[in-house]
Amino acid sequence: GAVVSQHPSWVICKSGTSVKIECRSLDFQATTMFWYRQFPKQSLMLMATSNEGSKATYEQGVEKDKFLINHASLTLSTLTVTSAHPEDSSFYICSARRGQDYGYTFGSGTRLTVV
Amino acid sequence: DAKTTQPTSMDCAEGRAANLPCNHSTISGNEYVYWYRQIHSQGPQYIIHGLKNNETNEMASLIITEDRKSSTLILPHATLRDTAVYYCIVRVAGSEKLVFGKGTKLTVNP
Repeated sequence: GAVVSQHPSWVICKSGTSVKIECRSLDFQATTMFWYRQFPKQSLMLMATSNEGSKATYEQGVEKDKFLINHASLTLSTLTVTSAHPEDSSFYICSARRGQDYGYTFGSGTRLTVV
Repeated sequence: DAKTTQPTSMDCAEGRAANLPCNHSTISGNEYVYWYRQIHSQGPQYIIHGLKNNETNEMASLIITEDRKSSTLILPHATLRDTAVYYCIVRVAGSEKLVFGKGTKLTVNP
């Protein structure tokens, strides 16, 4: 149980275009989901907390107008990278938790390459 | 900022126990310790978490010192597939967020 599905696994886009990444909790409801970014040979960096039915909370230094987060339902959060540039190329990972007594489940990640 | 300190890397022989230490000297009474691992180019995998007592599951054991300032993750019989970066994380009290540190790169050698 507690499966988080992330789609797509990888995407290549042209500079200036927007890319949407989906994160779904398949067998549980998640009022809160989290988005991370990971550059090569570095640790995961928390970008934002996605709250169902309300605005996301962004970490310091993360541009909310560039990384749009929508948590439209209890099982789906989306991250849209707007006007992507090569420096946005990274590994994006989402996570969710079934409940307080459980650990956090992570998606398999999305490799974004902006050319 | 991450609230834990881990060695940068460790090696372990296949079939032996792997003991991964973590220092969290500033932990407060109601903060949990979580362990995750990440195999290259995959999302982190949950291993175990605990508050005060030692915990064991099918993957590993978590030993937390009595003062809770440090913990050890034990993989009882390491295999080559256990080669990964292991993250020890203290969840901030009152927050849902998990903040990752640099982790320990564990290499299991044949």
